[in-house]
This record gives sequence, structure tokens and C-alpha cells, in this order.
Amino acid sequence: DAGVTQSPTHLIKTRGQHVTLRCSPISGHKSVSWYQQVLGQGPQFIFQYYEKEERGRGNFPDRFSARQFPNYSSELNVNALLLGDSALYLCASSPAGDYGYTFGSGTRLTVV
Amino acid sequence: QQQVKQSPQSLIVQKGGIPIINCAYENTAFDYFPWYQQFPGKGPALLIAIRPDVSEKKEGRFTISFNKSAKQFSLHIMDSQPGDSATYFCAAQAGNFNKFYFGSGTKLNVKP
Repeated sequence: DAGVTQSPTHLIKTRGQHVTLRCSPISGHKSVSWYQQVLGQGPQFIFQYYEKEERGRGNFPDRFSARQFPNYSSELNVNALLLGDSALYLCASSPAGDYGYTFGSGTRLTVV
Repeated sequence: QQQVKQSPQSLIVQKGGIPIINCAYENTAFDYFPWYQQFPGKGPALLIAIRPDVSEKKEGRFTISFNKSAKQFSLHIMDSQPGDSATYFCAAQAGNFNKFYFGSGTKLNVKP
């Protein structure tokens, strides 16, 4: 079975630009969460979606937004990129928003 | 304020040694405590998890010890191998649809 897939794997953007990151959950998983991992730190929660509805939002500015589609895939959008947005963005899925989350390999975003 | 405090930041052991990584928390609403292993360039992978009604859980060479009264839990890796060299994160979650709070990570180096 395919795990959580994220695209692209690497991305370089310029300050002020916009970026869209994509995530496909494990088949049958209805919940997707997004985390930001800055180098040398633990992941920080950004969003959680279940059945296309937002169920949780972390302490991130409104420049960060996300959505979940009918097929349970998800997008994370970041506007007006800052240098500090450079990080590994992780997507995790679970069957029903419960405890069994599986993480993808992430998208490495570099803002220059 | 960091919800989950993890120590040490880094750890070096010889092959066959038993590295121990410790985590402490304050929020008594946490009811699920997973440990994740992360290799460079990869997302975190779930190793083992415990709930607070259990004091110890073993899966293969990995053991979690849990002290509810002290609000501490630790990961022991028996017979450690060079392939165990990775960064380990503890985490805590309070119920369904709630975010994980991750520790800051421990970089483990197992020398041959």
C-alpha cells in the first residue's frame, strides 16, 4: 500500500511569493494534518482536517491556509513567503482523526 | 511554553548499549504518548506508543516506561545498533482531533 505522499519533495521560492503544497493520504484515511518542522526542532502543528472540515488550527499567521478535497487529499497554501517559512512541511493522515497518524516524507521549502 | 520537554539533545552510545531518552509533560489531559524516529530527509515514523493506564510497553528492542504521577515517560532502546542512529521525538496528544505536541528531539549516534 502507498503511504502518505507529498509533492513536490523540494521547492525553492522567493520572498513574497505564494506556494502550494500537496498531500495524498493513505487510502481510506479521512483525516489529514499539516506540520512545520524547522531544522533541528520538533514538528509544529499547523492544521487538521477531517471529512473536508477544519478541526484544528495551530498558532500560525493567516498567510497559512489549507483545504481538504472530496477524495481526502489536501493542499497547504502559504502567501507572502518569508525567509522564516523555510522548513520541512509534513503531512500526516489517520483513518478517523484518531491516534494512528502516519507521516509523509515532507516537502522541503526554501525561501530565498 | 513547551508542552513536552525532551532530553538529552544528543546521545552517543556504543553498539549494544541502551540509550535512554526522557520526556516530561504538564498537561494531565494528554492521553496518548507516541515516540517517533526520523532519519535525515524523511518524515517521522511511529516507533511505539503508550497510554497513561500502562506503566511499560515493549515492542521488539524498544520499550516505553511511563510514570503517570511524575508526568514523565522515557524510551529505552535495547541492544542498540548503528542503524538506530537517527533523531527521536516524543510527543503527546489529548484526545481525538487534537494536535500532537512534539518534544525538541534527541539525536542518537550509535557507534559500531
